[in-house]
Amino acid sequence: KAGVTQTPRYLIKTRGQQVTLSCSPISGHRSVSWYQQTPGQGLQFLFEYFSETQRNKGNFPGRFSGRQFSNSRSEMNVSTLELGDSALYLCASSRPGQGFTGELFFGEGSRLTVL
Amino acid sequence: DQQVKQNSPSLSVQEGRISILNCDYTNSMFDYFLWYKKYPAEGPTFLISISSIKDKNEDGRFTVFLNKSAKHLSLHIVPSQPGDSAVYFCAARGSGGSNYKLTFGKGTLLTVNP
Repeated sequence: KAGVTQTPRYLIKTRGQQVTLSCSPISGHRSVSWYQQTPGQGLQFLFEYFSETQRNKGNFPGRFSGRQFSNSRSEMNVSTLELGDSALYLCASSRPGQGFTGELFFGEGSRLTVL
Repeated sequence: DQQVKQNSPSLSVQEGRISILNCDYTNSMFDYFLWYKKYPAEGPTFLISISSIKDKNEDGRFTVFLNKSAKHLSLHIVPSQPGDSAVYFCAARGSGGSNYKLTFGKGTLLTVNP
């Protein structure tokens, strides 16, 4: 069974540009979450989608946005990139049914470097 | 305001000994607590969890203890193995409208020496 797939794995952008990251969840998983990991900050929640609807949103500026498609694939977009946006962006999916107890299946992440 | 805190950035243990990783939280509305393990260049993987209505959960070499009155949880690994060397993240699930997000600590780097 394929895991969570994130593309691209690595990318370099310059300040002011925008970036789109893609995530394909495990087959059958309908919830997709995004987290940002920066050195010394742990993982910070960006947003979570289920059935194309955003259910939760973290404390990030409006430059960070996301969406989910009918096949559960998700994208996140960061506009007007800043140096501080350099981070590992992790996507995770969770099993359907019986409520969410916190068990997430993470992809390997997209490493964004902003110059 | 950091709601989940892992005060030890790193921990070094000898193979075969016990590893104890600690985590404190401030939000009494958290209802599930989890530990994730992360190797370099990989995404985090779920390790073990505990509901707020329990005080202990065990899975093989891994045991998580929860002290709700102290808002403290710990992960015990016995015996520790070199393959356990990784960054360990403590996480908590919110309840109600925030029950689809996890709040993570900053992680503790565990090194198990042969």
